[in-house]
Amino acid sequence: AQSVTQPDIHITVSEGASLELRCNYSYGATPYLFWYVQSPGQGLQLLLKYFSGDTLVQGIKGFEAEFKRSQSSFNLRKPSVHWSDAAEYFCAVGPLYTPLVFGKGTRLSVIA
Amino acid sequence: KAGVTQTPRYLIKTRGQQVTLSCSPISGHRSVSWYQQTPGQGLQFLFEYFSETQRNKGNFPGRFSGRQFSNSRSEMNVSTLELGDSALYLCASSGLAGGAEDTQYFGPGTRLTVL
Repeated sequence: AQSVTQPDIHITVSEGASLELRCNYSYGATPYLFWYVQSPGQGLQLLLKYFSGDTLVQGIKGFEAEFKRSQSSFNLRKPSVHWSDAAEYFCAVGPLYTPLVFGKGTRLSVIA
Repeated sequence: KAGVTQTPRYLIKTRGQQVTLSCSPISGHRSVSWYQQTPGQGLQFLFEYFSETQRNKGNFPGRFSGRQFSNSRSEMNVSTLELGDSALYLCASSGLAGGAEDTQYFGPGTRLTVL
């Protein structure tokens, strides 16, 4: 069965610092991988997705993620964090059709 | 283009009651999925409807049901509410084929509190 692990429950970074959120997945076939962000009281917003091709994927808000098949990872990165990036981040894996399987999420706090 | 809308946004019910939540997908989208989000279990898939047919179902008891109308709007119903049903219920819609390439776009959710 497919699964997603986000090892970090909570991360705190300083504004302007770089960020990397970890995601490891378990999936038997070629995965479809996603990163979503959720602000308090809001639904999920798609940051980026990987289906095939270039393993470095660019997303919205300056985020990028790199797919590494050998490590079963899909880590999310941002070179310089802004205070508005404080939110909860979810990694998800899916087959060709739903359902998506989500990780438990990583809560990001940004300090001045 | 309007996003996914969910109504109501907040709901308070008591144990034993039933509740119906509504989701209007993005115009042109034919697939609607429902997820339950709780602090303990995270995001869990409930079911997916495509062209008025349930295509996938998660591991939830029969008290949870749904349907989709010809205009792709979807409702989910929870009967005999339990305290553990308190959660944020998220609806997501995706495009014509409903495949993973058709990204799922989420609504703001309905916060259900069961007292």
